[in-house]
Amino acid sequence: KQEVTQIPAALSVPEGENLVLNCSFTDSAIYNLQWFRQDPGKGLTSLLLIQSSQREQTSGRLNASLDKSSGRSTLYIAASQPGDSATYLCAVGSGTYKYIFGTGTRLKVLA
Amino acid sequence: EAGVAQSPRYKIIEKRQSVAFWCNPISGHATLYWYQQILGQGPKLLIQFQNNGVVDDSQLPKDRFSAERLKGVDSTLKIQPAKLEDSAVYLCASSQHRTSGLNNEQFFGPGTRLTVL
Repeated sequence: KQEVTQIPAALSVPEGENLVLNCSFTDSAIYNLQWFRQDPGKGLTSLLLIQSSQREQTSGRLNASLDKSSGRSTLYIAASQPGDSATYLCAVGSGTYKYIFGTGTRLKVLA
Repeated sequence: EAGVAQSPRYKIIEKRQSVAFWCNPISGHATLYWYQQILGQGPKLLIQFQNNGVVDDSQLPKDRFSAERLKGVDSTLKIQPAKLEDSAVYLCASSQHRTSGLNNEQFFGPGTRLTVL
């Protein structure tokens, strides 16, 4: 059974710092992994989608990597801004093409 | 391109009452998902449709929850009767297709926040 863990659960950093969010999964037989952002009271916004054959994806200040063999993905945020404050969720696509979510990392970027 | 639409955005009911949520996926998306997100947790899949057929409903409490996707487009999720522990945000998502896993990026609606008193 696939289990997804995100560490840390919460993170507070000063503006301008580079930071790394971690996502680990127990079953390496995945077909993709998706990172989302969720603002309070809102739905999920897709940030990056990595296919199982890919090692990383980049969008602006965001870079996501995938290491299937070790069951890990990282989301790197460069030069963090207060507007980046949100909860970040990773979702692993596996099994019968369904997604298992982690519990998220709550990020607060201080001005 | 219009996103995933959901209604209502908020609903407050008393326990043992019934409630229904509606979702309209992105046009052309064959796969539709309903998730339950309890405060402080990640979304949990309740049911997954491929067109108008059910792919996975293993985590749907079938004694009180039901869902349908008539004509393979819109979907409704119903709870009858509601319990206090059903208080959560109900999220609908859609993706293009499931057969290959490729291009299976999920797009989410804004969610319906349900409070059961």
